[in-house]
Amino acid sequence: DIQMTQSPSVLSASVGDRVTLNCKASQNINKYLNWYQQKLGEAPKLLIYNTNNLQTGIPSRFSGSGSGTDYTLTISSLQPEDVATYFCFQHNSWPDTFGAGTKLELK
Amino acid sequence: QVQLQQSGAELVKPGTSVKLSCKASGYTFTSNHMNWIKQTTGQGLEWIGIINPGSGGTSYNVKFKGKATLTVDKSSSTAFMQLSSLTPEDSAVYYCARSGTTVAVDYWGQGVMVTVSS
Repeated sequence: DIQMTQSPSVLSASVGDRVTLNCKASQNINKYLNWYQQKLGEAPKLLIYNTNNLQTGIPSRFSGSGSGTDYTLTISSLQPEDVATYFCFQHNSWPDTFGAGTKLELK
Repeated sequence: QVQLQQSGAELVKPGTSVKLSCKASGYTFTSNHMNWIKQTTGQGLEWIGIINPGSGGTSYNVKFKGKATLTVDKSSSTAFMQLSSLTPEDSAVYYCARSGTTVAVDYWGQGVMVTVSS
């Protein structure tokens, strides 16, 4: 199985900050990488699919990049409603696998 | 809009089985595959398997073969997952989640908590 490693596990930032979350795959996943946001008590919500495609209805402050084994989710200007846990997910090779998540907190 | 409505929380005894449901609306049920995903505090998110509602064809994560069985009822646009021989390690929140055309998992149900306890 492909292992997905997210860093950092916890990130504290201030409103308005530019925030970068990282995800590293144990092998090349050919940009088949999604990012999900999960708020406390809710189901995950798709933010970015296939590395850099913004899901409909998601604010443009969210963006994704990467290739090969290394991928990044960027929030250009952190808002209070962005407090959540963020998961990366590869769907290049079965079984599809998730990262352990980055918990984003307000400083 | 796409909605996946899952059945309510379950408290079940070890060694028994439970069948979870996921009713889809807002799209053509047979046009998109359905995934099932397990979430625990310790193991995080784990992909269990996927079913093609049109054909009934399934694929499973090896880890969950023999544990989970995926089926659908096309007449009611409902997907099901049966979990068998339950142990406390099966206690988790289980999600159904639709596969988009090129997106893999796009829309998620609200999740259902399964607690296995005597």
